[in-house]
Amino acid sequence: RKEVEQDPGPFNVPEGATVAFNCTYSNSASQSFFWYRQDCRKEPKLLMSVYSSGNEDGRFTAQLNRASQYISLLIRDSKLSDSATYLCVVILIKAAGNKLTFGGGTRVLVKP
Amino acid sequence: DGGITQSPKYLFRKEGQNVTLSCEQNLNHDAMYWYRQDPGQGLRLIYYSQIVNDFQKGDIAEGYSVSREKKESFPLTVTSAQKNPTAFYLCASSILGGRGNSNQPQHFGDGTRLSIL
Repeated sequence: RKEVEQDPGPFNVPEGATVAFNCTYSNSASQSFFWYRQDCRKEPKLLMSVYSSGNEDGRFTAQLNRASQYISLLIRDSKLSDSATYLCVVILIKAAGNKLTFGGGTRVLVKP
Repeated sequence: DGGITQSPKYLFRKEGQNVTLSCEQNLNHDAMYWYRQDPGQGLRLIYYSQIVNDFQKGDIAEGYSVSREKKESFPLTVTSAQKNPTAFYLCASSILGGRGNSNQPQHFGDGTRLSIL
């Protein structure tokens, strides 16, 4: 099993609809979580951190489910500009040095 | 403007040649990282550094080398030993969290695309 897994998609989403997808992680001791957005042939850009209590930033909501070991990202009222690949990042804090792992990304295509 | 600058944007390597990718940041971040991304895949860590004059291997360090002589700079050399160097290379930096742990989000440069001639 991969340390961090994402459904590669693509998720085809009508403009204005809601889309949600998950990122599962294998190590229950993982402590920090982030969502990044990556446009085609561009660098990843930080979208939002994921807090234990869940957090919202405009149309984006991130949740953490420690019991089931996954984080989720929900996009409401999808815009054409939301089309991108969404990467999750999971950080495992270790005394010998933290381990940061990227998921393979979930591709989202928002269509008119 | 603070940020991370990678150069060049595109690079071509001849067989048997070493090439060096530049990464400079003016964010005053202690930690810097190099990743490789292959088409349709996630990022894989090559090397990282949390302090000047110190760096550690990531998951795919073979065929690569780095140096960290200055806080602002973390160049990556792709050596001739790296037989499949064609990829998108991304440099990132972050502040260090508590106890010097890198649990903070990373900020990326806009990448270098390396291809074989």
